[in-house]
Amino acid sequence: DIQMTQSPSTLSASVGDRVTITCRASQSISIYLAWYQQKPGKAPKLLIYKASSLESGVPSRFSGSGSGTEFTLTISSLQPDDFATYYCQQYNSYCTFGQGTKLEIK
Amino acid sequence: QVQLVQSEAVVKKPGASVKVSCKASGYTFTSYYMHWVRQAPGQGLEWMGIINPSGGSTNYAQKFQGRVTMTRDTSTSTVYMELSSLRSEDTAVYFCARGVATNSYYFDYWGQGTLVTVSS
Repeated sequence: DIQMTQSPSTLSASVGDRVTITCRASQSISIYLAWYQQKPGKAPKLLIYKASSLESGVPSRFSGSGSGTEFTLTISSLQPDDFATYYCQQYNSYCTFGQGTKLEIK
Repeated sequence: QVQLVQSEAVVKKPGASVKVSCKASGYTFTSYYMHWVRQAPGQGLEWMGIINPSGGSTNYAQKFQGRVTMTRDTSTSTVYMELSSLRSEDTAVYFCARGVATNSYYFDYWGQGTLVTVSS
């Protein structure tokens, strides 16, 4: 099975900050990586697919990059609505999620 | 608009089975595979398996093989996930999620989630 490891597990930041979350795969997954945002009590929301493609309707301050085993999600200027938990997910071989990164208000 | 509406929360005893439903609307039901993903309290997301609503074929995560059964009813555009031999570790929110494209393993629409509590 492919393991996905996110870092950090928790990230404290302020409105307007630029933040980056990293996701590493235990083996190459090409570009078959998605990012989701989840708020408490809600279902996850797709943000990015194929490592860097922005899902329709998602603000352009979200961006993704990477290939192979190392990937990043960047939020260019944090907005109050962005404080949530973020998950990466590989879909090169079935499906595996990272453990999540909780983005907190500093 | 695409909607996935799941059944209500349920409490089950250890050893019992649970069947969760997910009714789809707003798109052609048989054109998109459906997945089930669960989330234990305070934990991350765990993929359970996939069903092709057109032919009914399934593929389950190894962890759940032998305990999970996914079915569909095309007349009502509903998919079902049944989990048997429940234990306390199965307490979780169970989500159905639509695969973005045929046999695609990432998800553009999700149900609201169904809390399954396993307790004696």
